[in-house]
Amino acid sequence: QQQVKQSPQSLIVQKGGISIINCAYENTAFDYFPWYQQFPGKGPALLIAIRPDVSEKKEGRFTISFNKSAKQFSLHIMDSQPGDSATYFCAANTHSGSRLTFGEGTQLTVNP
Amino acid sequence: GAGVSQTPSNKVTEKGKYVELRCDPISGHTALYWYRQSLGQGPEFLIYFQGTGAADDSGLPNDRFFAVRPEGSVSTLKIQRTERGDSAVYLCASSSLAGGSTDTQYFGPGTRLTVL
Repeated sequence: QQQVKQSPQSLIVQKGGISIINCAYENTAFDYFPWYQQFPGKGPALLIAIRPDVSEKKEGRFTISFNKSAKQFSLHIMDSQPGDSATYFCAANTHSGSRLTFGEGTQLTVNP
Repeated sequence: GAGVSQTPSNKVTEKGKYVELRCDPISGHTALYWYRQSLGQGPEFLIYFQGTGAADDSGLPNDRFFAVRPEGSVSTLKIQRTERGDSAVYLCASSSLAGGSTDTQYFGPGTRLTVL
């Protein structure tokens, strides 16, 4: 059972553009939603995270938007740069447990 | 400071063989996690340690998989009678606090296991 669904599978944007990646979840017990960035041959690295008590969180060029009623959240990358080219994973876990449930990933390519 | 380290970085073995994968967490981190990442997929949870004990091993796919953390630091993931379907990148992560949901999990670079 895929509890976190992520789209699109791949995304190509031009330098300076906005990259948007979407995730939807099923488990209403989830209460922590991180985004991870992964470069080839490396482990995932935390990019930004949000709790459901806020609808938006911004850190630099990265923003998470959260819609609790729709059980959806998204990552927006403003002014996308070629160095942002990587695979992005949304994830979620519950307050009482520590396992992260990941989405399938989005391969982002930012063309110069 | 050093991050999570994993050895070996690559492991090639033959079907039916036994393998051990090692994880060295960030110093002082009490929580340690193992995940498995197949090509083109997100990481899938295997097991979670809090100190020396396995707090949640429900992600282990079958009894060929076993993990230990005898002194509450280094952990070893052990796979018996390897199968071609076990080929994947095995990721280890650690976190600093009591394992609550908001603890950041810091991942190592992974061990790429190939079963021929």
